[in-house]
Amino acid sequence: GEKVEQHESTLSVREGDSAVINCTYTDTASSYFPWYKQEAGKSLHFVIDIRSNVDRKQSQRLIVLLDKKAKRFSLHITATQPEDSAIYFCAASDGGNYKYVFGAGTRLKVIA
Amino acid sequence: GGIITQTPKFLIGQEGQKLTLKCQQNFNHDTMYWYRQDSGKGLRLIYYSITENDLQKGDLSEGYDASREKKSSFSLTVTSAQKNEMAVFLCASSRTQDTQYFGPGTRLLVL
Repeated sequence: GEKVEQHESTLSVREGDSAVINCTYTDTASSYFPWYKQEAGKSLHFVIDIRSNVDRKQSQRLIVLLDKKAKRFSLHITATQPEDSAIYFCAASDGGNYKYVFGAGTRLKVIA
Repeated sequence: GGIITQTPKFLIGQEGQKLTLKCQQNFNHDTMYWYRQDSGKGLRLIYYSITENDLQKGDLSEGYDASREKKSSFSLTVTSAQKNEMAVFLCASSRTQDTQYFGPGTRLLVL
């Protein structure tokens, strides 16, 4: 079955710098890639997604890139702010079976 | 917009006990999910349901039962709680094959 690997378990950046979180997946049938943010003690909050018919999507300071050949996708957070500090989860789904497979999460710390 | 509520927020049980967690959503979503989150790990799917009275097993279904009583509610039962078990159970819902939205979670501790 599908496996999703999230490469950075922790990441520290200075406020105002960019943060990049990378994920890879194994199933070529995967076509939908959501990202979630989990703040301390809270649940998962959807932040952005990308479908396989595009290779880039932006929502304000968030950019998602998808490289289908390399089976890799990444979340770029530009101009980071302290409130971006959280755990970020990537996931992959083939869109047809309702199941998401999640990465293990990246703990992002933005240092003021 | 809508909201997902999970009850209880915290659940403390005894080894061997049967424990039930409840989830309600008012998004009018067809599909609902139960995930388990262990500290430092990603989420693992326990059960999901694509419509009322439907149940589908996820990768972690052993030791759990689920029930989709109506479109808006989805219950999960831990059939026999394991000693020292500690995890967060997250309920989610989505329109068919669309983005999943998560509830606040139930934190389980088994003594």
